[in-house]
Amino acid sequence: GQNIDQPTEMTATEGAIVQINCTYQTSGFNGLFWYQQHAGEAPTFLSYNVLDGLEEKGRFSSFLSRSKGYSYLLLKELQMKDSASYLCAALDSNYQLIWGAGTKLIIKP
Amino acid sequence: GAVVSQHPSWVICKSGTSVKIECRSLDFQATTMFWYRQFPKQSLMLMATSNEGSKATYEQGVEKDKFLINHASLTLSTLTVTSAHPEDSSFYICSSREGASGESYEQYFGPGTRLTVT
Repeated sequence: GQNIDQPTEMTATEGAIVQINCTYQTSGFNGLFWYQQHAGEAPTFLSYNVLDGLEEKGRFSSFLSRSKGYSYLLLKELQMKDSASYLCAALDSNYQLIWGAGTKLIIKP
Repeated sequence: GAVVSQHPSWVICKSGTSVKIECRSLDFQATTMFWYRQFPKQSLMLMATSNEGSKATYEQGVEKDKFLINHASLTLSTLTVTSAHPEDSSFYICSSREGASGESYEQYFGPGTRLTVT
């Protein structure tokens, strides 16, 4: 079956760095997405990785290892507004998104 | 970036009535639209995929006669929840993809519709 695993909840301190991990098992693979979702709102796109390695975009970076079925989202210089759920989603061979349950990130002052 | 709108943002209806939710792609032609449902503290659940001009493909366990999807044009898809019940109360989100499968992979999400059935 197809499966995405990510931690349910994480807590970090304002100004610090946090890494949210995601492992995936899918029928075929055409890339991995990270989305941010604030409570009561729709997801917003953060990153897309299809090749191995690190993609940096401002305070957010995303890493992919296809051989390990593993990705992480790295958030630097955390701000209170970064408190949200972070969704990992893999694109399978049919170009359908397989969603993880999301990681709720709590930022403390 | 691409913009997708959804209407209404929230709706309260009585049990047994039907509710229609509209999803529009405002600045691009959406060949494919997706409808998701999300219960509190749970992940997005894909309900159905629709391509313009053809019947929607429903995910296992989703009743096609209860959740009617019409993708009448390249910019509009509607989801009608028929004979709604309290257990249908959820956050419904649509997303659009510009190209056909394999041509474009990014999905653009609408803001979501919060449905409460009393």
